[in-house]
Parts: sequence; C-alpha cells; structure tokens
Amino acid sequence: SAVISQKPSRDICQRGTSLTIQCQVDSQVTMMFWYRQQPGQSLTLIATANQGSEATYESGFVIDKFPISRPNLTFSTLTVSNMSPEDSSIYLCSVERRMADEQFFGPGTRLTVL
Amino acid sequence: QKEVEQNSGPLSVPEGAIASLNCTYSDRGSQSFFWYRQYSGKSPELIMSIYSNGDKEDGRFTAQLNKASQYVSLLIRDSQPSDSATYLCAAARGDYKLSFGAGTTVTVRA
Repeated sequence: SAVISQKPSRDICQRGTSLTIQCQVDSQVTMMFWYRQQPGQSLTLIATANQGSEATYESGFVIDKFPISRPNLTFSTLTVSNMSPEDSSIYLCSVERRMADEQFFGPGTRLTVL
Repeated sequence: QKEVEQNSGPLSVPEGAIASLNCTYSDRGSQSFFWYRQYSGKSPELIMSIYSNGDKEDGRFTAQLNKASQYVSLLIRDSQPSDSATYLCAAARGDYKLSFGAGTTVTVRA
C-alpha cells in the first residue's frame, strides 16, 4: 500500500478563519479522496479529487466551503473555509489501489474550531 | 435508511473467542465490500476486501459475503486484546466511492 502523509496532524483554529490540509503520497495515484469523521461518527466522503479536473463533491458539501486542489498525481489539498465549531472533525485523505476499489487512508488531521 | 448498517455494539468477547461482526447494505449495485479496523485516535486500516459471494480467509480473519441477502460479515478467530478497536464496514458501487457503516466497537477481555 502507498505511504500517505498529512499536514498538519492537528490544529486549533478560531472561527471565521480557514485551514488548508495537505495530503502527500509516495507514489502516483489517479484518484484521491477527502473524508470527514466527526466525533464519535463514521466517515463521510466530502469529495473526489482528480488530477487535471475539478473535484467532485458529495451531497451536502460545496466548493466554496471545501475548495480542493490536485496539482499532480501525488499531492492534494483540502481547505476548510470560514470555519465554525461545527467543522471540528478529523479530516482524512485516502488513495485508491487501481482495479481493486481498495482505499488506503492517511493519518488524518484533527481540527478543533473555537 | 442508511446505505450501510452494522450491528450495534459494543461487542465484548473473551480472549481466544470468536468475534462476529455483521453488516447489511441497501444498494444492490454495490460490488465491493471492505472491513476496516480503526484504533482509537488513529485512521482506518484496511484488513479485508471481498468481491464475490462466499468466504475469504486471511489469517485469523474471515469475511463472508451474501449478495442475495445483501449481507457481509467478519469473523475474528482467537481474538486477542490487540483486536480491540472499532471495525468499519464499507461498500462501493465500482466508482471508488465508499459508503461506511457506523462501526462496531470490539473489546477483547484478557
């Protein structure tokens, strides 16, 4: 499986500010995904990030709130914009293994919004 | 109705026993099924994938899939304290988008 890193690992932010989370993979992958895991909850897919095209967002998530970049096949960023305490969550990136639907997750970014 | 549902926990089993975890899914278009293990404070770790009806064994883990019943299960044999974690069931339609269940927390008592 790929080695995935995320930065920052955790952060505490003030409401109204924005935070950009980085996801780096040690090998080229076609598809990267961003998930949110709210406290005590399971994972919810935010969007799929494809290189060379705009991200595809799931119902309930919009580009203005969660802009995503995918400049190359090993890197993606997720920005959480105009944060509120409800955005406090763990944000995870994942990558797929081609032809197998399997996804592997990064270590996550724990975000607390005050 | 949630797309993927798991039996409510927590599940407590003695060391050495079999832990049985169940999962049902509502989307008949689902083609791929996964079990992830998540330790507290950590990210999910893929432990089993299953695509065809029947059983798939990997070490102490056995995944079972029954597409007619829309049912997936995970058996953990000879449970160890290190198996104590939350187990997440996930399903995909073939478009790489995973739908996760709420998870079942397993505690293995020494």
